[in-house]
Amino acid sequence: NAGVTQTPKFRVLKTGQSMTLLCAQDMNHEYMYWYRQDPGMGLRLIHYSVGEGTTAKGEVPDGYNVSRLKKQNFLLGLESAAPSQTSVYFCASSHEFTEAFFGQGTRLTVV
Amino acid sequence: AQTVTQSQPEMSVQEAETVTLSCTYDTSESDYYLFWYKQPPSRQMILVIRQEAYKQQNATENRFSVNFQKAAKSFSLKISDSQLGDAAMYFCAYRSALGSNYQLIWGAGTKLIIKP
Repeated sequence: NAGVTQTPKFRVLKTGQSMTLLCAQDMNHEYMYWYRQDPGMGLRLIHYSVGEGTTAKGEVPDGYNVSRLKKQNFLLGLESAAPSQTSVYFCASSHEFTEAFFGQGTRLTVV
Repeated sequence: AQTVTQSQPEMSVQEAETVTLSCTYDTSESDYYLFWYKQPPSRQMILVIRQEAYKQQNATENRFSVNFQKAAKSFSLKISDSQLGDAAMYFCAYRSALGSNYQLIWGAGTKLIIKP
């Protein structure tokens, strides 16, 4: 029962470095999402996907790119990390109109 | 645009007692879904309860129940017989039932403290 798996769980980057967060789900969900969570705030949607090969911008997309080449995977990329991108990142997936299932989160620190 | 408001940044309750967390939302839609999620210190987001707007009956899951007031746009969570393991951040979320809108709209969260 893996559900939604995110890798890595922790990462420290220097300003200007790039990285990719991987999200994998084994529930055959059509929809996948990337959120960020900052202290004192709820979840904010970065990008989402409604199916393989499709992506769309969410509330806070600047500085991030995504790809969904396979239905089960959703990648989040940071091309040039900035301290403002220090956050906890969550991946989630769902069927249409159902609740979202979340990964364990990735704590990213940009120094 | 839809919004979700949780007006209680923090709540505390004595173990074994009952606590109610508030959530209000704003929408012009008639069909939607509402959720309560729990986030313990482990960071994992866990679904607590779900309510479909077209259902008049309030959802219940063991010690967790909701008071869904559609006209008032209110969706509160009641936790009965509070346990130490209930200590967590609780988030209220809204999701449209329209086919073109896939986003979950989140409240800012309420931190629940359980006093032993």
